[in-house]
Amino acid sequence: DTGVSQDPRHKITKRGQNVTFRCDPISEHNRLYWYRQTLGQGPEFLTYFQNEAQLEKSRLLSDRFSAERPKGSFSTLEIQRTEQGDSAMYLCASSPRDRSPYEQYFGPGTRLTVT
Amino acid sequence: KNQVEQSPQSLIILEGKNCTLQCNYTVSPFSNLRWYKQDTGRGPVSLTIMTFSENTKSNGRYTATLDADTKQSSLHITASQLSDSASYICVVSDDDYKLSFGAGTTVTVRA
Repeated sequence: DTGVSQDPRHKITKRGQNVTFRCDPISEHNRLYWYRQTLGQGPEFLTYFQNEAQLEKSRLLSDRFSAERPKGSFSTLEIQRTEQGDSAMYLCASSPRDRSPYEQYFGPGTRLTVT
Repeated sequence: KNQVEQSPQSLIILEGKNCTLQCNYTVSPFSNLRWYKQDTGRGPVSLTIMTFSENTKSNGRYTATLDADTKQSSLHITASQLSDSASYICVVSDDDYKLSFGAGTTVTVRA
């Protein structure tokens, strides 16, 4: 296992379309995080899973956003009715169980462009 | 609101020279402070993690310092290389997983 993987790496979509991103964490990492990063800014927290349970959602995650981690392994992030303001890099990270301070390992990100 | 402020916003240095990046934070309570390196178009990669009781930590040519009393941290890059060109992000955690990210300092190393 070489690290966190994300698919696709790039996505261009038209406003109003739905998009779905996938994140595969490092094997046996029970914690998974989604972040959004816009140009020139640091990542912003979106949501956090411990195993299959979604434990926290940022208020940045509007009703158009939904994240799942059905079997506690890979996760998907769906954006419905995309808007130009959704254009950003979407980063996924994972961390191992029972190890403080919970180092987070980031994937390469999915860059979304909404035209 | 928890904030992490980094300076400078960007800097250019010659290959082989040293540089120091600054981070001030107001995150409370404080759990740990991390420095990440992010290459353009890639995800951040951890360089160091420091808890309250640690005031310095090194990772090769990268040395981070932490003053938890003044809520300041620095990242020193020694003998810079072209591959050090990246964004360096200061990240402060107030508990196990909630991270507050700075906007980053963009470092450009020129030959």
